[in-house]
Amino acid sequence: TQLLEQSPQFLSIQEGENLTVYCNSSSVFSSLQWYRQEPGEGPVLLVTVVTGGEVKKLKRLTFQFGDARKDSSLHITAAQPGDTGLYLCAAFTGGGNKLTFGTGTQLKVEL
Amino acid sequence: DAGITQSPRHKVTETGTPVTLRCHQTENHRYMYWYRQDPGHGLRLIHYSYGVKDTDKGEVSDGYSVSRSKTEDFLLTLESATSSQTSVYFCAISGTSGRSYNEQFFGPGTRLTVL
Repeated sequence: TQLLEQSPQFLSIQEGENLTVYCNSSSVFSSLQWYRQEPGEGPVLLVTVVTGGEVKKLKRLTFQFGDARKDSSLHITAAQPGDTGLYLCAAFTGGGNKLTFGTGTQLKVEL
Repeated sequence: DAGITQSPRHKVTETGTPVTLRCHQTENHRYMYWYRQDPGHGLRLIHYSYGVKDTDKGEVSDGYSVSRSKTEDFLLTLESATSSQTSVYFCAISGTSGRSYNEQFFGPGTRLTVL
């Protein structure tokens, strides 16, 4: 069982649709991060959420940290083909800046 | 973009052979990490380093060893490759202050196939 479970695992939608991706755990975290990975590349950090209940916006992407700091969601409004990629949540666990990653959500946005 | 390179980018090898993957950084960051990525598992930490000659195991370290003799280089060795080690391997780095402390920067990955 992975520490961070993401759902759905796969998502295929049409351009213009809205979607939400979830990252859940039974553990409490001091912060949580979201990364996006495009094919053939390494993940790139999108955002870090730190406070329970915190909401951060990055253009059409809205990130929320759960009140109990155990879960997070990513909402995309009016998805575009450029949003296609693998979305990964991650949390710092242990020392040495170690990150534990979620299972990932593969998003495909079609014209 | 953070200066991280991985070599080779692609490798095909046979079961039982040793394989070494190299990660090179030009950022002088303290921390370096090796992950493997497999469908349905996200990224899993193999080993990490918190300084020259200072390394520790991650969650999937069996069958792997690492070495860091210089700040800029972190080597991952598969002592005797098995088909279960077929994967995409990513190196990452992070620093000790500011933005680089809270963010990991990833290399482009190495696709390894063990036949």
